[in-house]
Amino acid sequence: GQQVMQIPQYQHVQEGEDFTTYCNSSTTLSNIQWYKQRPGGHPVFLIQLVKSGEVKKQKRLTFQFGEAKKNSSLHITATQTTDVGTYFCAGPRGNYGQNFVFGPGTRLSVLP
Amino acid sequence: ETGVTQSPTHLIKTRGQQVTLRCSSQSGHNTVSWYQQALGQGPQFIFQYYREEENGRGNFPPRFSGLQFPNYSSELNVNALELDDSALYLCASSPPESYEQYFGPGTRLTVT
Repeated sequence: GQQVMQIPQYQHVQEGEDFTTYCNSSTTLSNIQWYKQRPGGHPVFLIQLVKSGEVKKQKRLTFQFGEAKKNSSLHITATQTTDVGTYFCAGPRGNYGQNFVFGPGTRLSVLP
Repeated sequence: ETGVTQSPTHLIKTRGQQVTLRCSSQSGHNTVSWYQQALGQGPQFIFQYYREEENGRGNFPPRFSGLQFPNYSSELNVNALELDDSALYLCASSPPESYEQYFGPGTRLTVT
């Protein structure tokens, strides 16, 4: 079945350092979404990418969708303690465009 | 605007029992998806409801069932509870013509 993988599983950074998480799908995706889940919280929608090669920025966050639409990345510049949490990517499940498969997430720790 | 709400917040059940979890979607949202999230893992898609009809189902047994009501609120029912059903159950609503998902705070189910 369809698989969505993320690396790394964990990342510890010093405050001010950059952070990148990568998402890979076993199948071509029509779109990809990114979510952030704070410890003890629920996933919060960050962004959706649709076009091949698309790059979107939200302040210090940069999201990219691969040319083949099978991979994506999230890059955070100059991390802050407020960035702590788990970042998930999610892609549509098979022919059900509105059903999503989540990756296992990358847990980010930021040391002050 | 009221966000997605879920009840109860926490629940403890015994193996073999049945449980009903409830979700009120965000105002104007007509699609509700349910996810199971085990500790340290990504959300796993259970099923989705759109206009009171099931619109896709993940790899969960038939003892997981659901409903969506005319006001777009939803219920998740789990029969014959097993220890492995212990998890955070999340519902997410989506607005019309959009794949963005807005999650509720979740229900923490513990099966003993």
